Amino acid sequence: DTAVSQTPKYLVTQMGNDKSIKCEQNLGHDTMYWYKQDSKKFLKIMFSYNNKELIINETVPNRFSPKSPDKAHLNLHINSLELGDSAVYFCASSQDGDNTEAFFGQGTRLTVV
Amino acid sequence: DAKTTQPNSMESNEEEPVHLPCNHSTISGTDYIHWYRQLPSQGPEYVIHGLTSNVNNRMASLAIAEDRKSSTLILHRATLRDAAVYYCILRSVSYGQNFVFGPGTRLSVLP
Repeated sequence: DTAVSQTPKYLVTQMGNDKSIKCEQNLGHDTMYWYKQDSKKFLKIMFSYNNKELIINETVPNRFSPKSPDKAHLNLHINSLELGDSAVYFCASSQDGDNTEAFFGQGTRLTVV
Repeated sequence: DAKTTQPNSMESNEEEPVHLPCNHSTISGTDYIHWYRQLPSQGPEYVIHGLTSNVNNRMASLAIAEDRKSSTLILHRATLRDAAVYYCILRSVSYGQNFVFGPGTRLSVLP
């Protein structure tokens, strides 16, 4: 069973569209994350979220919003897509209260044309 | 989040040991040292982490300096599959701390 799974794996869409990327973890973790990896390969934290608190990186445009229907899911919604949003997006999860490792999904490659 | 410094790239021959250094001179007492790696076209993968003592697992060893201002990830016998970008990360035990990635070290393994 895949620990952290993301769908879709590839997403090609036009500028101005609204899209969502889904993420599910079956590890029972309390905290989930979204990261963006741009063309220069830098991994940047976008959000971290658990059932208590959403922590937003202040550089993330408000067109990006995380939605968590339950503890096992953290979906990423993106409104009014721009060319610069093209990147690979990674979801991850970790357990609260203990300095254990994070588990990452395989990524979603978003291409905005 | 405290910062780490790693070489941009390193090369190794297959089946030889690899020592990947990381400097973290501003580390605080509550920061754990984590190592992750990212294989081509994959998500980051946990390798090892530690606080003060050296750590071993099936993938690698982590050697931590006595003053904790530097650490070394040791791959005992590099294989072609170990070619990846290796990230050294400091993560505090404080609540809400993220995993903050730097540029990492790109390791090439030569056959």
